[in-house]
Amino acid sequence: AQSVTQLGSHVSVSEGALVLLRCNYSSSVPPYLFWYVQYPNQGLQLLLKYTSAATLVKGINGFEAEFKKSETSFHLTKPSAHMSDAAEYFCAVSDNQAGTALIFGKGTTLSVSS
Amino acid sequence: DVKVTQSSRYLVKRTGEKVFLECVQDMDHENMFWYRQDPGLGLRLIYFSYDVKMKEKGDIPEGYSVSREKKERFSLILESASTNQTSMYLCASSFSGAQDTGELFFGEGSRLTVL
Repeated sequence: AQSVTQLGSHVSVSEGALVLLRCNYSSSVPPYLFWYVQYPNQGLQLLLKYTSAATLVKGINGFEAEFKKSETSFHLTKPSAHMSDAAEYFCAVSDNQAGTALIFGKGTTLSVSS
Repeated sequence: DVKVTQSSRYLVKRTGEKVFLECVQDMDHENMFWYRQDPGLGLRLIYFSYDVKMKEKGDIPEGYSVSREKKERFSLILESASTNQTSMYLCASSFSGAQDTGELFFGEGSRLTVL
């Protein structure tokens, strides 16, 4: 059975600092991995996804994530945080790229201070 | 743009009331979902539907039912609301089959408070 663990329920950074949000997965088959973002008072939207085409995946708003099979990780990064990045971020895993099979992590809230 | 619309953003109901949460999508998606979002617990799947009149239980279906009479509309029903159902409810939709890329399109959520 798949599972996903997001390390750190809350991450705080200063504007301009590196953003690193951690996600580790457990899957018995090659996984499909996703990051979703939820801005305040909104639903979730897809940030980026890994589907085996490339280990480094670029998403919207300058975010990227790297799939590391040896570490079973899919950490999300952004070189320079912006105030508008403050949101909740969810990592999700699926074993078949189907939306019906997505398993979400518990989420990480990112705070950005000026 | 895909639009998933949840009819009520905020609701306050009393214990024992029947509650309907409505969701409509305009992209002709086959799949529709209801999730519950609670702090520290992330998103938990209540029910999903892959076609009209078809439904599958998710991880936490107890106390809920759903209805999908038309492709674009998916309703979540709380037959007798209880205080432990106070939560944020998120509706989502997606393509199915070969068009399913794993991307879900979410509504803005319905925050339900049961007193």
